[in-house]
Amino acid sequence: DSGVTQTPKHLITATGQRVTLRCSPRSGDLSVYWYQQSLDQGLQFLIHYYNGEERAKGNILERFSAQQFPDLHSELNLSSLELGDSALYFCASSLGTNNEQFFGPGTRLTVL
Amino acid sequence: DAKTTQPNSMESNEEEPVHLPCNHSTISGTDYIHWYRQLPSQGPEYVIHGLTSNVNNRMASLAIAEDRKSSTLILHRATLRDAAVYYCILRDIVRSSGYALNFGKGTSLLVTP
Repeated sequence: DSGVTQTPKHLITATGQRVTLRCSPRSGDLSVYWYQQSLDQGLQFLIHYYNGEERAKGNILERFSAQQFPDLHSELNLSSLELGDSALYFCASSLGTNNEQFFGPGTRLTVL
Repeated sequence: DAKTTQPNSMESNEEEPVHLPCNHSTISGTDYIHWYRQLPSQGPEYVIHGLTSNVNNRMASLAIAEDRKSSTLILHRATLRDAAVYYCILRDIVRSSGYALNFGKGTSLLVTP
């Protein structure tokens, strides 16, 4: 158990819908990272927050957004969902910005 | 960004040492070499990292070439639980864009009894 929790574990929805994925970092960790893992693209970095502020963006679509709240939990919002958005979404946390990252169990999103 | 090259797959017998190679010929002076692994149906987990010197921890050892253009992750006695995809990742912590992990395809390690 990494100490990072993600909810829900599974999510099935339809094209065009909007969903919210939630991540609670390890106690004391200030950084939260979101990654997407699909069969064809592998593990890809989406976005990084540190203590409530966005620090870096990766291959994140404009239909996706995220935020980190004062209690340091984070949410990833995916809207206008397409079939290709079906993937595993991982959240990771770290103490600072250059420490080892601890990954959650992931949320499996299926878009039908 | 500097890239890494790893074999697609490797196989090992249980209780034997495993040497997982990684080439990173364009590595910069501020790139740290990180290794993560992903067990089946789980999120990735940190294994080890280093800059110039060889490193040891309870999970593995990391041997870094003198010119830093290659490195090797060493599992001293492979167990069935070590079957996973191993990712060699360069991380430039000087730049904020280097905080995230840039996963490649990794090496899929098969451990046979």
